Amino acid sequence: LAKTTQPISMDSYEGQEVNITCSHNNIATNDYITWYQQFPSQGPRFIIQGYKTKVTNEVASLFIPADRKSSTLSLPRVSLSDTAVYYCLVGFTSGTYKYIFGTGTRLKVLA
Amino acid sequence: DGGITQSPKYLFRKEGQNVTLSCEQNLNHDAMYWYRQDPGQGLRLIYYSQIVNDFQKGDIAEGYSVSREKKESFPLTVTSAQKNPTAFYLCASSIGTGSAYEQYFGPGTRLTVT
Repeated sequence: LAKTTQPISMDSYEGQEVNITCSHNNIATNDYITWYQQFPSQGPRFIIQGYKTKVTNEVASLFIPADRKSSTLSLPRVSLSDTAVYYCLVGFTSGTYKYIFGTGTRLKVLA
Repeated sequence: DGGITQSPKYLFRKEGQNVTLSCEQNLNHDAMYWYRQDPGQGLRLIYYSQIVNDFQKGDIAEGYSVSREKKESFPLTVTSAQKNPTAFYLCASSIGTGSAYEQYFGPGTRLTVT
């Protein structure tokens, strides 16, 4: 059964760079990797998406190694407002198409 | 103002009653989804629809039903057969299905069944 794995929680201090890794051993050849941010009692919000190598936007970077069995979300210089749960979403295809959200990483940014 | 609306934000029901959660989008997206989230847990897919009048079961469809009669609307009914319905329910939409498409999420409905 396809699954993704992330660390349950992480702590960081304001101004530091935070890296969160998601393992997805059974990712399909054509699947993208997407990361979402979720605050309590709200719907998740899109952060970044990639297929291979490195992608960067105004809020984050996404690093994907050549074998694509994992991905790393990098948040530069985090602030208190980055305290949230971060999910990776990978599409797995096994008969019927499925979307597998990771277990989520609870990031706490400390002053 | 484009987006996804879910109503109501909080919903309370007695055990044994069916309840329908509303989800509407004005993004002109073809695909829509329903997820369930339990406290401290990730999102689990209940149903998804790729196009009007079509929908597919996700990982935890038992005890739930959906309809997709209009492109903008994808209501979810939580039936009395769902053994543990109390949860946070999230609706999402995307231009198409497939992992290349970003999913846009609504604000969620918190359902409490007693």
